[in-house]
Amino acid sequence: GAVVSQHPSWVICKSGTSVKIECRSLDFQATTMFWYRQFPKQSLMLMATSNEGSKATYEQGVEKDKFLINHASLTLSTLTVTSAHPEDSSFYICSATPRGGARAMNTEAFFGQGTRLTVV
Amino acid sequence: DAKTTQPTSMDCAEGRAANLPCNHSTISGNEYVYWYRQIHSQGPQYIIHGLKNNETNEMASLIITEDRKSSTLILPHATLRDTAVYYCIVRVVSNTGKLIFGQGTTLQVKP
Repeated sequence: GAVVSQHPSWVICKSGTSVKIECRSLDFQATTMFWYRQFPKQSLMLMATSNEGSKATYEQGVEKDKFLINHASLTLSTLTVTSAHPEDSSFYICSATPRGGARAMNTEAFFGQGTRLTVV
Repeated sequence: DAKTTQPTSMDCAEGRAANLPCNHSTISGNEYVYWYRQIHSQGPQYIIHGLKNNETNEMASLIITEDRKSSTLILPHATLRDTAVYYCIVRVVSNTGKLIFGQGTTLQVKP
């Protein structure tokens, strides 16, 4: 089946630094990728839609200058958490959909394994 | 996308069937019912989806009521590895892949 890989799986950074998380579709091209954030014991919250070759679309309440998204190729989207603070500590998950949709593969999207960010 | 309502948590004995309900009383005619699950600290995993007919695959069965206002996900022989949060999502099928997650049901399979 289609694979979406996130890197790193976990990261610890100091407050005030920036952290980049990569999301790669390994065996398909994805014109659209999504970024989610999940706090402990809560559901996934959609942060933004990443479109290849264009600006990301952010959900209401998500600061675009703090969460920088770059989708430079059909297989890679990156999320950079800038000037991270302890409240940014969370589980970040990406998903990707093949060009033309994923219905032939009986799913709407393929998810990465997630990245646990801890800001100290 | 239509709103869904799921119980917060459920228990199930290992080897027994797990029946997870979902209410979606405002579902539209062109909206599908999707089920995903998330095992602790992993990304969500697709389980099954359907429009109005009952569906079955190697993982589960999906039973949708005739009026489509509710559905039940059935794991026929639950194992400890099925312990996870199960999300019922109602949406129009599209090529975008955008999914909005509700709170889901935490299923605890007990030995």
